[in-house]
Amino acid sequence: QVQLQESGPGLVKPSQTLSLTCTVSGGSISSGSYYWSWIRQPAGKGLEWIGRIYNSGSTSYNPSLKSRVTMSVDTSKNQFSLELSSLTAADTAVYYCARERLESGSFFPDSWGQGTLVTVSS
Amino acid sequence: DIVMTQSPESLGVSLGERATINCKSSQSVLYSSNNKNYLAWYQQKPGQPPKLLIYWASTRESGVPDRFSGSGSGTDFTLTISSLQAEDVAVYYCQQYYRTPPTFGQGTKVEIK
Repeated sequence: QVQLQESGPGLVKPSQTLSLTCTVSGGSISSGSYYWSWIRQPAGKGLEWIGRIYNSGSTSYNPSLKSRVTMSVDTSKNQFSLELSSLTAADTAVYYCARERLESGSFFPDSWGQGTLVTVSS
Repeated sequence: DIVMTQSPESLGVSLGERATINCKSSQSVLYSSNNKNYLAWYQQKPGQPPKLLIYWASTRESGVPDRFSGSGSGTDFTLTISSLQAEDVAVYYCQQYYRTPPTFGQGTKVEIK
């Protein structure tokens, strides 16, 4: 059974760049049937999809965040990463990495990491 | 973006009774070429990540108890818990994956009455 684990700093200063890594175990990130995504959830609020990446490096981002988001993949380490720049307090949230299953030309998350809380504060 | 609206915001149900959660999308998520509704349901317990329950609006994920069922088509969908158990206390989210970006409803909190 695949497992995903987020890692990165829990506290980041405003205007700085957040860097998170997701390590995948129990399955290969190179599997052709899956994409790999980031989703965030502010405390007590709903879920916001940030973007996804394929093992080839092909990406798709939420237009609302596109100018600030960069995702990358390292198949040799079975990891993928998120960078989010120009942080503000509004970016404070639990950040989840997830595996998205590819079916009938679309994707939906079927496995999630436990999440990591990122606080943006000086 | 497709807006997903859930109702009610919270729901108190007695143990063993039925719980019904509604989800409405701002545009149809039914793809006519394959007659599939691009709609999923997730369960999130406190301090845990969401868990996939239902996809294609009515297909249960492997290992999900059969008391959970999904129905609906087009823009209107329902998640039903046929006999509420204590372990079903959670927030439930619908999600459309018809268009990018995928979007979620605001969540429905299910509690024991």
